[in-house]
Amino acid sequence: EDKVVQSPLSLVVHEGDTVTLNCSYEVTNFRSLLWYKQEKKAPTFLFMLTSSGIEKKSGRLSSILDKKELFSILNITATQTGDSAVYLCAANTGNQFYFGTGTSLTVIP
Amino acid sequence: DGGITQSPKYLFRKEGQNVTLSCEQNLNHDAMYWYRQDPGQGLRLIYYSQIVNDFQKGDIAEGYSVSREKKESFPLTVTSAQKNPTAFYLCASSIGDAGSYGYTFGSGTRLTVV
Repeated sequence: EDKVVQSPLSLVVHEGDTVTLNCSYEVTNFRSLLWYKQEKKAPTFLFMLTSSGIEKKSGRLSSILDKKELFSILNITATQTGDSAVYLCAANTGNQFYFGTGTSLTVIP
Repeated sequence: DGGITQSPKYLFRKEGQNVTLSCEQNLNHDAMYWYRQDPGQGLRLIYYSQIVNDFQKGDIAEGYSVSREKKESFPLTVTSAQKNPTAFYLCASSIGDAGSYGYTFGSGTRLTVV
């Protein structure tokens, strides 16, 4: 059965902390892994990862994929209250995306 | 501005009624998708369509129906056969292969059965 598991389910940190969110996957015909940030409504795209070991960065956010161990991490450094959201990862197998349950991040001042 | 518009944002339905959720995109994307989101669960695929007049069932299609008569539009009907329809529904689109380009999501419709 294809599945994506995210951990932790929820996380509360103080502003300025660094957090690491985990995403492991077991899917057939894996093609890519995507990270999304979901605040109140629609998820917004963060990263797409297709190759192992190549870090993608966008400001304080970065992500990397390990296709051998079948996981990805999303790092957020110097967290801000605006980073509070649910972070979703999804594994793509062609036509299908399998989403994890998400990690709920709360950043307190 | 290009994007995906879902309407309504909030919808209340009485048990036994069919309701239709609207999804329109002006991105000229070929593929469109409907997902359902429940608390504590990830997004689950209901239906997807890669071209006009063609669509496929996702993991949880039972109790739902769709149509794709125009490239821009992919309405979802929640029928009375759907036993637990209260959820947040997200529509998405992609340039053909979402695996290469990712999705663009709409802002969602929250459906509540009363």
